[in-house]
Order: sequence, then structure tokens, then C-alpha cells
Amino acid sequence: DIQMTQSPSSLSASVGDRVTISCQASQDISNYVNWYQQKPGEAPKLLIYDATSLETGVPSRFSGGGSGTDFTFTISSLQPEDIATYYCQQFDNLPLTFGGGTKVEIK
Amino acid sequence: QVQLVQSGTEVKKPGASVKVSCKASGYTFISYGISWVRQAPGQGLEWMGWISDYNGNTDYAQNLQGRVTMTTDISTSTAYMELRSLRSDDTAVYYCARVGDSYDPKGTLDYWGQGTLVTVSS
Repeated sequence: DIQMTQSPSSLSASVGDRVTISCQASQDISNYVNWYQQKPGEAPKLLIYDATSLETGVPSRFSGGGSGTDFTFTISSLQPEDIATYYCQQFDNLPLTFGGGTKVEIK
Repeated sequence: QVQLVQSGTEVKKPGASVKVSCKASGYTFISYGISWVRQAPGQGLEWMGWISDYNGNTDYAQNLQGRVTMTTDISTSTAYMELRSLRSDDTAVYYCARVGDSYDPKGTLDYWGQGTLVTVSS
């Protein structure tokens, strides 16, 4: 199975800050990475697909980067409504696997 | 608009079975697949498997092989996930999610159901 190592597991930042989350795959997965946002009590929501593509309707302050084994997810200016847990997911091989999640809080 | 609406909360005893439904609307059901993902309390996301809404082909996570069965009813655009021989560590919220390809389980989960809480307790 492909392991997705996500860091940090949690972070606290101020409104307006730039926030970056990392995800490292245990093998080369090209650009087969998605990023999801999960707010408490809700289902995950797709934000970024194919490592860098913004899902329709998602604010442009969210972005993704990377290829191969190293990927990043960035919120350019943190907003109060961005409080959530974020997950990376690979879809290069079965089983689909997720990172452990990053809980983002407001300082 | 695309919607996946799941069945309600379940409470089961160890050893029992549970069958969760996921009714799709707002798109052509047979043009996509459905993956099932579960989340234990306070934990991360675990992929359980996939079914093609087109031909019923399935792929299951190895750790659930033999205990899980995924099916679809094309006439009602509904997917089902049955899990048998339930244990306490099966307690989780179970999600269905649309996959963008009816032939390939390796895809993006672009729309999700609201989740179904399954509690396994004696």
C-alpha cells in the first residue's frame, strides 16, 4: 500500500496568514493526489484534484502543488471559515489511501 | 445538482450485519462508480472499496475481503454496502462517494454522501 505522510498533524494560525500543509508519498505517484476539507460533523469536500487543479466553486485562496512524492496544499490567506481538517489522498494505486489529516485552527 | 443521500444511523450487536444505502440523484448513475470510505471516531479516512455503477464490478480493501459486499440497483440509482460479522472496531461513520469513472476504481471522490453512523456495541 502507498503510505501518505501528512504534516503537520495540527497547526494554529492567525486570520490572513499563509498556511502550508505537506504530504509525502511512499513512492512516485506522479500527480495522482487530491486534497479534501472536512469540517466537524460534515463529510469531506473535494478542494484540489490532480495535485494542482482547483475544484469548481472552491475559493482561489486554496492551491496545490508538487508531483512525484512530495505535495503541498496552501491557503494563501486563512479565513475563519477555513477551520477544518484537511486530508491528502492518492489515487495512483489501490487501495486508495489518505494522509493522517491536518487540523487547522485559528490562533 | 449532484446529491448522494445515505440511510440513517444504525446500532448493531457484535456479529450482526449492517446494510447502508446511498441514493444518487442529479447525474447519470451508470456513468460513474461509487466508493465507500469509513471514519472511526476521531480518526482518519479509510477506503473500503468501489463498485462500478455501469457493470457492477467491484474492488475491495484487502482487510475487508470476505466481510463486505457492495451492490447497486440501477433502477433506483442506489448503491449499497453490506458489512458482516461486525466487531466493535467497525464503529464508524460510513460515507459513499462518487468516483469519476465507471471503469476505474482509482479516481477522484468528487461528491460525498452525508455519512451514516454505525455503532457496534453489545
